[in-house]
Amino acid sequence: KAGVTQTPRYLIKTRGQQVTLSCSPISGHRSVSWYQQTPGQGLQFLFEYFSETQRNKGNFPGRFSGRQFSNSRSEMNVSTLELGDSALYLCASSLVAGTEKLFFGSGTQLSVL
Amino acid sequence: ELKVEQNPLFLSMQEGKNYTIYCNYSTTSDRLYWYRQDPGKSLESLFVLLSNGAVKQEGRLMASLDTKARLSTLHITAAVHDLSATYFCAVTGTASKLTFGTGTRLQVTL
Repeated sequence: KAGVTQTPRYLIKTRGQQVTLSCSPISGHRSVSWYQQTPGQGLQFLFEYFSETQRNKGNFPGRFSGRQFSNSRSEMNVSTLELGDSALYLCASSLVAGTEKLFFGSGTQLSVL
Repeated sequence: ELKVEQNPLFLSMQEGKNYTIYCNYSTTSDRLYWYRQDPGKSLESLFVLLSNGAVKQEGRLMASLDTKARLSTLHITAAVHDLSATYFCAVTGTASKLTFGTGTRLQVTL
């Protein structure tokens, strides 16, 4: 059974650009969450999607957005990139929202120059 | 706002020794997770603790939960070098959003 797949693995952008990250959950999983990991702030919740609906959102500016498709794949978008957006972005999937176990992908390492 | 604190932040220990990582959280939660992260890698789920008094063990790691004290511990028995990693606890707050602790970087030396 394939795990959570995130693409791309690494990304380099410049300030002001926008970026789209992709996450394919484990087959059959309908809930996808996104987290940002930085050395300074640690792991912080971005948002959670279930059945194409955003269920929960963290304390991030509106430049951060996401969506989920009917096949449960999810994308997150960051517009007008800032240097502070450099981070590891992790996606996690679970069977349904609020279940016992989250499975994390390998992450997308975003560097903003 | 839910806060999760871990200590210590960094732990250097010799192989064969025992030690405990502590995780305190500020408000009532219905589940607590422990994850392991190797450098440059993703998070690997270790334990999910669902109720007061829950204890789970896997190999040299044992996790416990005291919901009244809002405290979880991750105990390492007879550490080996392969356990070197960063360990995170995380607690569910509203809905299924996870709030993570700061992480404990464990270094096991020969």
